[in-house]
Amino acid sequence: GAGVSQSPSNKVTEKGKDVELRCDPISGHTALYWYRQSLGQGLEFLIYFQGNSAPDKSGLPSDRFSAERTGGSVSTLTIQRTQQEDSAVYLCASSSMGRTQETQYFGPGTRLLVL
Amino acid sequence: TQLLEQSPQFLSIQEGENLTVYCNSSSVFSSLQWYRQEPGEGPVLLVTVVTGGEVKKLKRLTFQFGDARKDSSLHITAAQPGDTGLYLCAGGLQGGKLIFGQGTELSVKP
Repeated sequence: GAGVSQSPSNKVTEKGKDVELRCDPISGHTALYWYRQSLGQGLEFLIYFQGNSAPDKSGLPSDRFSAERTGGSVSTLTIQRTQQEDSAVYLCASSSMGRTQETQYFGPGTRLLVL
Repeated sequence: TQLLEQSPQFLSIQEGENLTVYCNSSSVFSSLQWYRQEPGEGPVLLVTVVTGGEVKKLKRLTFQFGDARKDSSLHITAAQPGDTGLYLCAGGLQGGKLIFGQGTELSVKP
């Protein structure tokens, strides 16, 4: 079956522009997570969606970051007025029910470079 | 704030050597996961440990969860070039959210 997919795979933008990153989770997975990874580093939690519950936005670094999940499936992470420090790999993951100990399946990531 | 300290950050060894990666925290986690990530790809789960003192083996990899569920280790026996990659530990929190360590970049030279 299809895994988690993300688009675009690479994005180069100019400082101050807005960008949208897309994530298609595994079909039937109710939980969806966004993480950010700087070069060679661990993952930083950004936001978490679970079913119809209000998302956990506790990891978003500023109000320039937002995300939505439409129809309980596809998610879009939006970064407004991008800054150079936003350059990183943005990873999306999904899991079956969002429970602790479940396997999270990761997409390949979107590599964002802000010039 | 819950943090996971992973060490060493970089490790370069010769094929056939043994190595251990450590993951430590002052916080208690309900579970601890280890992931491996290759360049250009997302992390892939290796193992989940949930019980204090638990030991799991996956071929040449041995994973241990500390008795107090605050620390974990990954031991690789007779490392091979195919083991090269970024190893990440992650502590499980309520709702499935994960807190990741900084990662260990392992290079195994033939």
